[in-house]
Amino acid sequence: GEDVEQSLFLSVREGDSSVINCTYTDSSSTYLYWYKQEPGAGLQLLTYIFSNMDMKQDQRLTVLLNKKDKHLSLRIADTQTGDSAIYFCAVTDTGRRALTFGSGTRLQVQP
Amino acid sequence: EAGVAQSPRYKIIEKRQSVAFWCNPISGHATLYWYQQILGQGPKLLIQFQNNGVVDDSQLPKDRFSAERLKGVDSTLKIQPAKLEDSAVYLCASSSRTGAYEQYFGPGTRLTVT
Repeated sequence: GEDVEQSLFLSVREGDSSVINCTYTDSSSTYLYWYKQEPGAGLQLLTYIFSNMDMKQDQRLTVLLNKKDKHLSLRIADTQTGDSAIYFCAVTDTGRRALTFGSGTRLQVQP
Repeated sequence: EAGVAQSPRYKIIEKRQSVAFWCNPISGHATLYWYQQILGQGPKLLIQFQNNGVVDDSQLPKDRFSAERLKGVDSTLKIQPAKLEDSAVYLCASSSRTGAYEQYFGPGTRLTVT
């Protein structure tokens, strides 16, 4: 089945850019999502990208997709302390629709 | 627009007891999902409903877990009897049948089995 991998931890200084990376195994993945989870809360959908796109920008968020390498990244510009959270990459296809998640990357933003 | 509602938010039970979780999806969303999130891991699908029919329950431990979605709206997930390894956050999500099938999650129910 699908496997999604993420690095566990990222620490940045406030005002810097953060880049969170994700790799997946199933080339038929059609929709790729980024979710944010704060302590004790559910998952908040941040953004998504279709597999026929290379890049999507949404305010401070930029998603890059390299289909050849099955690599997805999320760049957060001007990172703020409020961005400290766990970020999950998730993928699905048009047939299945249920999400396969990575194990999450904990982003720590230092003042 | 109201989000996905779940209750209770927290539950502590002893092993071998039973427990039930409730979910009310976003109005008009035909698809409803239950995920289990063990501490330190990403959520894993337990069951997926389309209206009131089951689409995927391949990962649901059917000897102890059951779920229903009567009338295609609210859903209940039950565990009977609970085991220590069932300690997790149970997340409910819903999505529409259009667009990118974005899933919107409720706040979850944190279950502790002692």
